[in-house]
Parts: sequence; C-alpha cells; structure tokens
Amino acid sequence: QVQLVQSGAEVKKPGASVKVSCKASGYTFTSYYMHWVRQAPGQGLEWMGIINPSGGSTSYAQKFQGRVTLTRDTSTRTVYMELSSLRSEDTAVYYCARDIDPGIDSAPHLWGQGTLVTVSS
Amino acid sequence: DIQMTQSPSTLSASVGDRVTITCRASQSLSGWLAWYQQKPGKAPKLLIYKASSLESGVPSRFSGSGSGTEFTLTISSLQPDDFATYYCQQYNSYSTFGPGTKVDIK
Repeated sequence: QVQLVQSGAEVKKPGASVKVSCKASGYTFTSYYMHWVRQAPGQGLEWMGIINPSGGSTSYAQKFQGRVTLTRDTSTRTVYMELSSLRSEDTAVYYCARDIDPGIDSAPHLWGQGTLVTVSS
Repeated sequence: DIQMTQSPSTLSASVGDRVTITCRASQSLSGWLAWYQQKPGKAPKLLIYKASSLESGVPSRFSGSGSGTEFTLTISSLQPDDFATYYCQQYNSYSTFGPGTKVDIK
C-alpha cells in the first residue's frame, strides 16, 4: 500500500548530527515532492524543507539554512533529512510528508509515522 | 518569509455547533492554503487544500473558503471526533504553518 515508513527514535548529544530516513512504497517515488516538518513537545508544526525526488532539488526554510540537508536515493526509494549542530531546542518529532499532487510543490497529504529525536547531554 | 496567524488560539464548543477558524497571511497566497487536523500523538491529517478542495475521505461537514490573505475553515456541525488541533499552512512561497487552534469541549 501507499505509505511512508521512517527510521526509529534517536538520542543525540548537543553538537552532533542526526540523519532520519523516510522510505516510500506503493507509488512512483520520483513523481511527488517530499516535505519535512517537525514538532517540538507541546508545540506547533514547523516546516523545514522540501525535496524533489526526481532531480534532487531542494528548498529550505530560512531558519534551517546551513544546518539541514535533504537527500534522496532513488534506488531504495528513500529520502533523508540530516540536521547538524544539534541543540536541545531541536528535540522534536520529525515527519516526512508526500505532496498530494504529482510534479508540483503542493500540500503534504501522506505522512510518515514520525521520528522522535532527543538532544540531551 | 510569509507569516501566518490563526484565530482563535483556543475554541470551546459543543457537539452540533458550527465552528469557524480564521487564518491570515502576511501576503497574498494565490489560494495555496491547506488545513490540517491533528490529534495528540498522531501525524497531521490533511482536510482541505487549494483553500477549498476537500481531501478524499474527509467528511463534508468540513469546508474551506477565502482568498488573498484571509481564509476560513468551517465545521458545519461539530462531531465528537472533531475535538483536536487545527493548523493552516501556506505553500505559495516555501511553506509556513499557522500556530494552531485547539478545539475543545465546552
């Protein structure tokens, strides 16, 4: 079936990096843009960036420029989000989410289950 | 960056009530606005996209309207399953979420 399955929870120390994976199945991987969104405990949703799995082009929220990198591996149908220089404020659930419309940047419609990243010394 | 606001931040309502949530953007979105419902511990669920298009499988009591910088989400008759937090999201220029509106039981 159509789904996104994310990697498991991570615990990292301040200053480290984390790489979260999102494996897609059930649809043409290269046809739909993929977003990354995070949610700190008790807080709202925060958009981080988007990747076009077809060509690999990316756009990032200004807040995360220089610290986040989105990549994809078309052979394994997987998108990755790497966040560097982690601080305690990065403790959050990280979601990947696929667009509803193929070929354009549209609304996230299919969501992964979320990956909890905890940053603690 | 486009800034998003939502009002109210919390809304207390009863089953059967008509509920309206407003979302405002700092610049025109050309209709590129979505609404999501989120329950604790769950991923967001898309309700409305392109300001007024109902996502497949979403009950018809949910509707979206608006243009330019002001948009509304309306629940025509609130059901027990609708108590949740609602977010708007612009995707006209990159993307930004609103701060959310929590709908709780009166």
